Amino acid sequence: DAKTTQPPSMDCAEGRAANLPCNHSTISGNEYVYWYRQIHSQGPQYIIHGLKNNETNEMASLIITEDRKSSTLILPHATLRDTAVYYCIVRVAGYSTLTFGKGTMLLVSP
Amino acid sequence: ETGVTQTPRHLVMGMTNKKSLKCEQHLGHNAMYWYKQSAKKPLELMFVYNFKEQTENNSVPSRFSPECPNSSHLFLHLHTLQPEDSALYLCASSQARATGGDIQYFGAGTRLSVL
Repeated sequence: DAKTTQPPSMDCAEGRAANLPCNHSTISGNEYVYWYRQIHSQGPQYIIHGLKNNETNEMASLIITEDRKSSTLILPHATLRDTAVYYCIVRVAGYSTLTFGKGTMLLVSP
Repeated sequence: ETGVTQTPRHLVMGMTNKKSLKCEQHLGHNAMYWYKQSAKKPLELMFVYNFKEQTENNSVPSRFSPECPNSSHLFLHLHTLQPEDSALYLCASSQARATGGDIQYFGAGTRLSVL
């Protein structure tokens, strides 16, 4: 699976949009971009995934660049409960496993 | 509630004890996983089971012994652990698809302390 690079930490004010970047310059054509988050001492939670088109669900939006070498996770109106470590993971679909890096620690403040 | 239940949530054991961690998924998935998360380290995959068959063992020491009696249950049997095995142990399940988009759902984890 391709390697990803994320900033170690980010801050966001409550109610504002949180934009979390991820670089995956070695991504292959059959690899998806997945985002998970982990709130302190809990299990990771799936957020969203995509192949090449932008995706949106009730939690977030995923913007993937046209060359697929980077992506941005957008939380449109961050709340205090969104404080967590966010992981960007690139993987081939099917039976391949998730390889977690260090992620981005997002701190949402009042 | 993710549909993946882990018990116990907390466990303290001595190095000579034998204990088991249990994971149960209520999602009808065909794949289950054990991960380990040590303090300030990324999650590490330990074992993968697809259709009750172990398909991956990530060089895990033999003092960790997994068991998957059916597609809904996964156990991790522990014996003669070391203090450095203290960690959060996470179970996950997914409905693996060859065409893509399978999502892993995680339990809340078992916080293990080895004394």
